[in-house]
Amino acid sequence: DAGITQSPRYKITETGRQVTLMCHQTWSHSYMFWYRQDLGHGLRLIYYSAAADITDKGEVPDGYVVSRSKTENFPLTLESATRSQTSVYFCASGVRTGTSEQYFGPGTRLTVT
Amino acid sequence: QKEVEQNSGPLSVPEGAIASLNCTYSDRGSQSFFWYRQYSGKSPELIMSIYSNGDKEDGRFTAQLNKASQYVSLLIRDSQPSDSATYLCAVNGGNDYKLSFGAGTTVTVRA
Repeated sequence: DAGITQSPRYKITETGRQVTLMCHQTWSHSYMFWYRQDLGHGLRLIYYSAAADITDKGEVPDGYVVSRSKTENFPLTLESATRSQTSVYFCASGVRTGTSEQYFGPGTRLTVT
Repeated sequence: QKEVEQNSGPLSVPEGAIASLNCTYSDRGSQSFFWYRQYSGKSPELIMSIYSNGDKEDGRFTAQLNKASQYVSLLIRDSQPSDSATYLCAVNGGNDYKLSFGAGTTVTVRA
């Protein structure tokens, strides 16, 4: 049981390029989340999804696009990468059944040059 | 903006001692509270959840919640070098499924 996986684990891209980070979970969790983690800012929510075809903005959505056509997948796209988007990106998932527990994937370290 | 504040650290404790981590939150309607452990270069790992006032113990970890004071804490008893990590406090307001995270407290357990 892989749980929640992210790919790629490391990515270097150039300013202006489009890049997609993948997230896949095998738990059939309804909720999925994308966070970025930067020194001095902690974990910040980019986008989240309550179910397939339902997405909503988090705290820092500008420059990012998400989609969720299948429950198990939640890709994050940087349409035109900027150096300020250099960060570690974490995907998380959870089920809202009286709790709000979230479980994190291993992360993707993205560097924009 | 829901705020979650943690004692800034870093916190250095000798092996075998108790490490005490504190967290305060601004949203009085918050319902769920979590502690995550994050090793350097790794992802956050859920180690404790607490939903009602009082103490909750799990092995060497004890979470304490006081909603009236808007305060949640984590005690690590008999600290081990393997407990050296950053501990993140997270709070859910109850109206949605989003979590607000504190900046984290880095704990170093010295042998």
